[in-house]
Amino acid sequence: DIQLTQSPSFLSASVGDRVTITCRASQGISSYLAWYQQKPGKAPKLLIYAASTLQSGVPSRFSGSGSGTEFTLTISSLQPEDFATYYCQQLNSYRFTFGPGTKVDIK
Amino acid sequence: EVQLVESGGGLVKPGGSLRLSCAASGFTFSSYSMNWVRQAPGKGLEWVSSISSSSSYIYYADSVKGRFTISRDNAKNSLYLQMNSLRAEDTAVYYCARDRPKYCSGGSCYHTAFDYWGQGTLVTVSS
Repeated sequence: DIQLTQSPSFLSASVGDRVTITCRASQGISSYLAWYQQKPGKAPKLLIYAASTLQSGVPSRFSGSGSGTEFTLTISSLQPEDFATYYCQQLNSYRFTFGPGTKVDIK
Repeated sequence: EVQLVESGGGLVKPGGSLRLSCAASGFTFSSYSMNWVRQAPGKGLEWVSSISSSSSYIYYADSVKGRFTISRDNAKNSLYLQMNSLRAEDTAVYYCARDRPKYCSGGSCYHTAFDYWGQGTLVTVSS
């Protein structure tokens, strides 16, 4: 099975900061990676698919990059509503594993 | 508007069974693959199972294979998860999620993401 790791696990940042989260796959997954945002008590929300394509309605401050085994999610200017947990997911092969998550908290 | 509404969660004893349902609306249900994802209290997301639009392809996580059965009724716009031999470690919020339209190239098609999610239903396995 393909394993995903995320770094950091926890990130403390201020409004306006540029934030970068990394997701690494245990083997190459081409560009079949998605990013989700989840707030407490809510369902995950799709942010980015195919590693770098912004889902409709998602603010342009979110961007994704990478291919193969290393991927990044960048928030260009952190907003109050962005404090949440972020998960990557690989869809290259069943099973559709998720990363362990990165919690972005207020500094 | 796409809506996915899960139901059927609750408290069940170890070894018991439960059937979850997901009612879909706002899109052509029969054209989309569907998925179940779960989240144990305070933990991350875990993919559980997927089913193709016509039920031709079905996949399970190793953790539930042989105990859970995914199914769908396209006439009723509904997705199901039959859970048997439940264990304490199956305690979680269970979400149903729609598969984004696949990306197809060179005769092969690939999954890209889960684009809509329900609000989840809590399953608690405890004596």
